[in-house]
Amino acid sequence: GQNIDQPTEMTATEGAIVQINCTYQTSGFNGLFWYQQHAGEAPTFLSYNVLDGLEEKGRFSSFLSRSKGYSYLLLKELQMKDSASYLCAPMDSNYQLIWGAGTKLIIKP
Amino acid sequence: DGGITQSPKYLFRKEGQNVTLSCEQNLNHDAMYWYRQDPGQGLRLIYYSQIVNDFQKGDIAEGYSVSREKKESFPLTVTSAQKNPTAFYLCASTPPGQHTGELFFGEGSRLTVL
Repeated sequence: GQNIDQPTEMTATEGAIVQINCTYQTSGFNGLFWYQQHAGEAPTFLSYNVLDGLEEKGRFSSFLSRSKGYSYLLLKELQMKDSASYLCAPMDSNYQLIWGAGTKLIIKP
Repeated sequence: DGGITQSPKYLFRKEGQNVTLSCEQNLNHDAMYWYRQDPGQGLRLIYYSQIVNDFQKGDIAEGYSVSREKKESFPLTVTSAQKNPTAFYLCASTPPGQHTGELFFGEGSRLTVL
């Protein structure tokens, strides 16, 4: 079966760094996406990894290891507005996204 | 500005009633999707459409119906057969051409069954 595993909730301090992990099992693989979702709003695209390694985009970076079925999202210099849920979504062999339940990130001053 | 518009944002329905959620996009995207989101769960795909006049069932299509008569529009009807319809419904689209997971979402419609 297909399965996505990420922590339910994490807490971090403003200005710090946090790493949100995601492990996955899918039928085939065509890349992995990270989305940010603020409470009551729609998800917005953050990053896409299809090859192993780290992709950096400003304060946010995303890492992928296909052999381990593992990805993480790294957020640096945390700001209060980063308080949101972060959704891990690998794409399977049918090019369909398989969504994790998301990690709720709470930023404290 | 281009984007996806969902309406209504909030909707209350009595048990046994059908309700239709609107989704309109002016992004010229071919593919459109309907997802359902429940607390503590990932997004679940209800229906998707790659082109006009064609659509496919997703993982949880039972109790729902869609149409795609125009490229810009992909309405979702939640029928009385849907046993637990209270949820947050999200419409999304993707650009034409290659397969992509970069979805553009509408603001969502929150349906509550009384």
